[in-house]
Amino acid sequence: DSGVTQTPKHLITATGQRVTLRCSPRSGDLSVYWYQQSLDQGLQFLIQYYNGEERAKGNILERFSAQQFPDLHSELNLSSLELGDSALYFCASSALSKQGEAFFGQGTRLTVV
Amino acid sequence: QKEVEQDPGPLSVPEGAIVSLNCTYSNSAFQYFMWYRQYSRKGPELLMYTYSSGNKEDGRFTAQVDKSSKYISLFIRDSQPSDSATYLCAMSALQGGKLIFGQGTELSVKP
Repeated sequence: DSGVTQTPKHLITATGQRVTLRCSPRSGDLSVYWYQQSLDQGLQFLIQYYNGEERAKGNILERFSAQQFPDLHSELNLSSLELGDSALYFCASSALSKQGEAFFGQGTRLTVV
Repeated sequence: QKEVEQDPGPLSVPEGAIVSLNCTYSNSAFQYFMWYRQYSRKGPELLMYTYSSGNKEDGRFTAQVDKSSKYISLFIRDSQPSDSATYLCAMSALQGGKLIFGQGTELSVKP
């Protein structure tokens, strides 16, 4: 168990809908990352937050947004969902004060129908 | 061209074999190198973490980084069927920065 908790584990929703994925980082980790893993694209970096502030941004679609709350949990919001958004979404956390290794949660499997 | 290239395999070896997994990269700014193991699209599990060039050993696993060649390797000694998984290399330019992943190599260790 990495200590990173993601909910829900599975999500099935229709095109055009909006969903929220939740991540609780390891105790003490201030940095949270979101990644998308699809069959043909591998693991793609979406966005990173550090202590509530956006730190780095990848190729995240404008329909997607994220935030990190004062208690350090993070949410990834996906809106106007399309079939192509079906993927595994992973959250990771790290303690930048140490070496900065990232530990991953078990992911949320999103299926858009 | 992708920043990180990794042969997707699949790679099949007999139990007890030495496995060699490799990645090449193009971005000379990468300083931090990691290997993750992923079972059946579960969460990636961190195996090895290396800063800059050199070797690092942990049990049956050895990670090597050659920055001059932009080439990293993971060796698994005495491979076991439980090692069957997808192995992902990942790299970052900054400590705690975003990770750029390879495509992953699917490994199967046959009893």
